[in-house]
Amino acid sequence: GAVVSQHPSRVICKSGTSVKIECRSLDFQATTMFWYRQFPKQSLMLMATSNEGSKATYEQGVEKDKFLINHASLTLSTLTVTSAHPEDSSFYICSARDPLAGGPNEQFFGPGTRLTVL
Amino acid sequence: GENVEQHPSTLSVQEGDSAVIKCTYSDSASNYFPWYKQELGKRPQLIIDIRSNVGEKKDQRIAVTLNKTAKHFSLHITETQPEDSAVYFCAASKNDMRFGAGTRLTVKP
Repeated sequence: GAVVSQHPSRVICKSGTSVKIECRSLDFQATTMFWYRQFPKQSLMLMATSNEGSKATYEQGVEKDKFLINHASLTLSTLTVTSAHPEDSSFYICSARDPLAGGPNEQFFGPGTRLTVL
Repeated sequence: GENVEQHPSTLSVQEGDSAVIKCTYSDSASNYFPWYKQELGKRPQLIIDIRSNVGEKKDQRIAVTLNKTAKHFSLHITETQPEDSAVYFCAASKNDMRFGAGTRLTVKP
């Protein structure tokens, strides 16, 4: 149980275009999902907390107008990178909490999406 | 907010030796401390975790200790094997989760 999927796994786009990444909880309902960004040889940095039915909470320094998050259902959160630029190229990972499968804080991670902006 | 520091950044050991990775955290309200193993291009894989009401936890060759007073926790891997080579991250969580910078562990055969 507690499986999280992401789509796509890999995307290459041109500078200036927008890219949508989906994060789904496959076998549980997730009221809260998290979005992380990981640059090469660096750690996972929390970008935002996605709450079902309400606005996302963004970390300091993360532009909410550039990284649009929508959590419209209990099993789906989406991250849209708007007007992507080469510096947005990164590994984007989502996670979700399932208090029934793990403890109250345990997070289950998606497989990640490798974004390359040309 | 929470700040997690992790040391060392790289660690090289001989197969069969032990490896220790240490982390400190800043927010005394954090109550969940997981350790993850991440291979290149893959998602973090939970290998062990500990909650703030426990001082030590062991799972076969892996153990974690937590000192709440000093706000530090450590990962211990005994009898290391080449397949233990990976990047390891500690994290601290109350509501959201903050990660340490990572340790690249290399186990030499």
